[in-house]
Amino acid sequence: SQQGEEDPQALSIQEGENATMNCSYKTSINNLQWYRQNSGRGLVHLILIRSNEREKHSGRLRVTLDTSKKSSSLLITASRAADTASYFCATPLPYNNNDMRFGAGTRLTVKP
Amino acid sequence: DTGVSQDPRHKITKRGQNVTFRCDPISEHNRLYWYRQTLGQGPEFLTYFQNEAQLEKSRLLSDRFSAERPKGSFSTLEIQRTEQGDSAMYLCASSSRTGWDTQYFGPGTRLTVL
Repeated sequence: SQQGEEDPQALSIQEGENATMNCSYKTSINNLQWYRQNSGRGLVHLILIRSNEREKHSGRLRVTLDTSKKSSSLLITASRAADTASYFCATPLPYNNNDMRFGAGTRLTVKP
Repeated sequence: DTGVSQDPRHKITKRGQNVTFRCDPISEHNRLYWYRQTLGQGPEFLTYFQNEAQLEKSRLLSDRFSAERPKGSFSTLEIQRTEQGDSAMYLCASSSRTGWDTQYFGPGTRLTVL
């Protein structure tokens, strides 16, 4: 069963705009991670945020975590066509950190 | 390149045949994971190795599936008597002792069962 659920399922924006994707999860977590997947390729790790952190930045990426609401958001600022990909949030199961559960992803399209 | 590699990248087989995939993790990564991903879904955990020991197996991993990591380096995933429902992308990931909670993924092997 999936732990995380991303919202929206699909997002289409113009180059230069910001993109926000949300993730909700069900159980307590030690950390939450965001991954990117280009069409038909493997996943690329973007950022990890721990349960005691509220916000984290990496380049044009900003991730927030609200453990009281069991939700996270990924913001991509000044989007580029190359950001077109699927974005997944993933959380390890609380009793088994090796079992990572992914959501179904948000498909982001950035139009040039 | 020292990333995770998988071979083959694509495999087409007929129903009932056996297939084997290989994963080479990042060198010195002691943890290795296998996932399956179907179209429009996120990866689903299949199994996990720490060194050569297979420590976790998902209920998704039926008896037709077997994974090995004999020397604690590369791993193989074999599917026996393939079924059309086995068609998916099979992803391998690895992580290190110190940064174990960050997994690095390979490009995947896309399996099509006719």
